[in-house]
Amino acid sequence: GAVVSQHPSWVICKSGTSVKIECRSLDFQATTMFWYRQFPKQSLMLMATSNEGSKATYEQGVEKDKFLINHASLTLSTLTVTSAHPEDSSFYICSATWGVSETQYFGPGTRLLVL
Amino acid sequence: AQTVTQSQPEMSVQEAETVTLSCTYDTSESDYYLFWYKQPPSRQMILVIRQEAYKQQNATENRFSVNFQKAAKSFSLKISDSQLGDAAMYFCALRGQGGSEKLVFGKGTKLTVNP
Repeated sequence: GAVVSQHPSWVICKSGTSVKIECRSLDFQATTMFWYRQFPKQSLMLMATSNEGSKATYEQGVEKDKFLINHASLTLSTLTVTSAHPEDSSFYICSATWGVSETQYFGPGTRLLVL
Repeated sequence: AQTVTQSQPEMSVQEAETVTLSCTYDTSESDYYLFWYKQPPSRQMILVIRQEAYKQQNATENRFSVNFQKAAKSFSLKISDSQLGDAAMYFCALRGQGGSEKLVFGKGTKLTVNP
């Protein structure tokens, strides 16, 4: 149980375009989802926390207009990287949890390359 | 603020041997949760083991066990009978109470298993 999927797993796009990444909880209702960014050989950096039906809470230094997060249902959250630039190239990971569960379950991640 | 420190950037172990990964943390909360996550080359974050701070008994999961020292704020992971598949980055993480509490990660320890 507690499976989280992400789509796409790999995306290459041109500079200036927007990219949407989906995060789905497959066998549970995710009341809270988290979006992370990970640079090579580094730890995970939390970008934002999203609760179903409400606006995401962004971490300090993360541009809200750049990284749009929507958590419209209990099984789906999306991260849209708007007007992507090469410096946005990274590995993006989502995680999900439910209710007062203390454990976050992670998706497999999405590799974004902006040319 | 909560912090997690992993002082060993890299560790190595011979196959079938035992290795211990260190983690110390700081929090002002009395109730919290501690986790070890594994990130293999696929970069999928996998939960290895978790510990509730209010439990004195150390958590175990098959070959994985922790040494939780609450007063010392130490949470080490012991891997027994190491296998080649244990090679990965290991992240120690801390989470406070509450449904949306975010995880605070350490910088990780890269474990190499030698045949």
